[in-house]
Amino acid sequence: DTGVSQDPRHKITKRGQNVTFRCDPISEHNRLYWYRQTLGQGPEFLTYFQNEAQLEKSRLLSDRFSAERPKGSFSTLEIQRTEQGDSAMYLCASSPGGFNSPLHFGNGTRLTVT
Amino acid sequence: GQQLNQSPQSMFIQEGEDVSMNCTSSSIFNTWLWYKQDPGEGPVLLIALYKAGELTSNGRLTAQFGITRKDSFLNISASIPSDVGIYFCAGPSASNTGKLIFGQGTTLQVKP
Repeated sequence: DTGVSQDPRHKITKRGQNVTFRCDPISEHNRLYWYRQTLGQGPEFLTYFQNEAQLEKSRLLSDRFSAERPKGSFSTLEIQRTEQGDSAMYLCASSPGGFNSPLHFGNGTRLTVT
Repeated sequence: GQQLNQSPQSMFIQEGEDVSMNCTSSSIFNTWLWYKQDPGEGPVLLIALYKAGELTSNGRLTAQFGITRKDSFLNISASIPSDVGIYFCAGPSASNTGKLIFGQGTTLQVKP
C-alpha cells in the first residue's frame, strides 16, 4: 500500500493558463474523490468517480473544471483559463467502497494563480 | 444542507495538557470521522466512530459518538509538540456516495 499519490505537489501558473493535476489512488480502490481546500477551511467536495464513471459533481465544479478517470485507475483534474480564485490545495482521496469506508487522502497539489 | 461546526476554532496549549474539541451538526450522522492535517499534507484518519454512544481510543486520542448522533468529541491527553496541526471532523453525506462533509477544523498549537 503506497498510499494516494498526487502530482505535482506545487503548481504556480499565470491567470488564464490551463493546468492539469494527476492522482494515483491506492490500488484496487474503486472510489476516487477530488476535494478543494482553501486556507482556514475544511476540504470541500468537487467530484466523485466509481471506477471510470463520474457519478457526482459539486456546484463548485464550474465548466472550466473537468475530471477524468479513463481506465478506472488514475485520475486527472484540469482547470482551464485559471483565475486567481482557483488558488487552493486540490486533494485527491480514494476508498475501497462499501459501507462507511473511510477516505484516504493524498498530500494534495497546491495551486497558486498569479 | 448538511454542515458540521467545530469548536474551538483554535487552541494554544502547554505541552502536557489535555485537549478537548467538539463537532456538532443540525443533521444526524451515522458515522463520525476525525482527521488530522499537518501543514502541506493531506488529512490523515485518526479515529472512526460507527455507533451512537461509542467511545474509541487510539493511543492518547479518545473520541466519542454522541448519543443524539448530532455531535462528536475528540480528546487528546498529555499533549506533545507533534500534536500540532488541524483537526477535522467529518461525516458521510446523505447522497450515499461515500463522500465526506468536513467541519472547518480546530487548529492546535502546543508550546513546549
